[in-house]
Amino acid sequence: DTGVSQDPRHKITKRGQNVTFRCDPISEHNRLYWYRQTLGQGPEFLTYFQNEAQLEKSRLLSDRFSAERPKGSFSTLEIQRTEQGDSAMYLCASTHGSGWETQYFGPGTRLLVL
Amino acid sequence: GDSVTQMEGPVTLSEEAFLTINCTYTATGYPSLFWYVQYPGEGLQLLLKATKADDKGSNKGFEATYRKETTSFHLEKGSVQVSDSAVYFCAPMFGGSNYKLTFGKGTLLTVNP
Repeated sequence: DTGVSQDPRHKITKRGQNVTFRCDPISEHNRLYWYRQTLGQGPEFLTYFQNEAQLEKSRLLSDRFSAERPKGSFSTLEIQRTEQGDSAMYLCASTHGSGWETQYFGPGTRLLVL
Repeated sequence: GDSVTQMEGPVTLSEEAFLTINCTYTATGYPSLFWYVQYPGEGLQLLLKATKADDKGSNKGFEATYRKETTSFHLEKGSVQVSDSAVYFCAPMFGGSNYKLTFGKGTLLTVNP
């Protein structure tokens, strides 16, 4: 399978704990996006990487959130001191080129904060 | 600012019925337009896309035409099947914004046999 992969697929944590999600994009895709989807809503943009550079962060991404993409390959999204409002599906998408190309999504990581 | 409005559901149809899901956008420029589908228990999949005015995207019997004059990209299918039951998202990609997608709220379609 050469699609976008995400790990873990499900995560249950207690409020106040830190969690980290991983995204492995399609090989040689230089652009990577993180989105968040809450129940009954469409995905919302969180952050964007071109190669290893993080070029945009949404206002939704509070200072408890941090994302990295070392060496321009896989990416991690960490949430510190989780809150119940962080419960959502976290989606990763990748694409290539420099413009309007289709984004390919991974299966997502579903986070539940108790 | 740039935004998208999608017809909210849920939509319930009988098999072989005609489907339309409305999607309109506001933009300062000319976005590329996408429809994504999320089948139960699965991830988001591209259904179809159109990149310029009057383009028609099509896939699996679904069609949508990029209408610049009405800033719309309505999704249609002439005869739905039970297997089309899913959530459908309209998602413009506005230029000058790092080409991120802006998703509508989604429309849940249920097709009954």
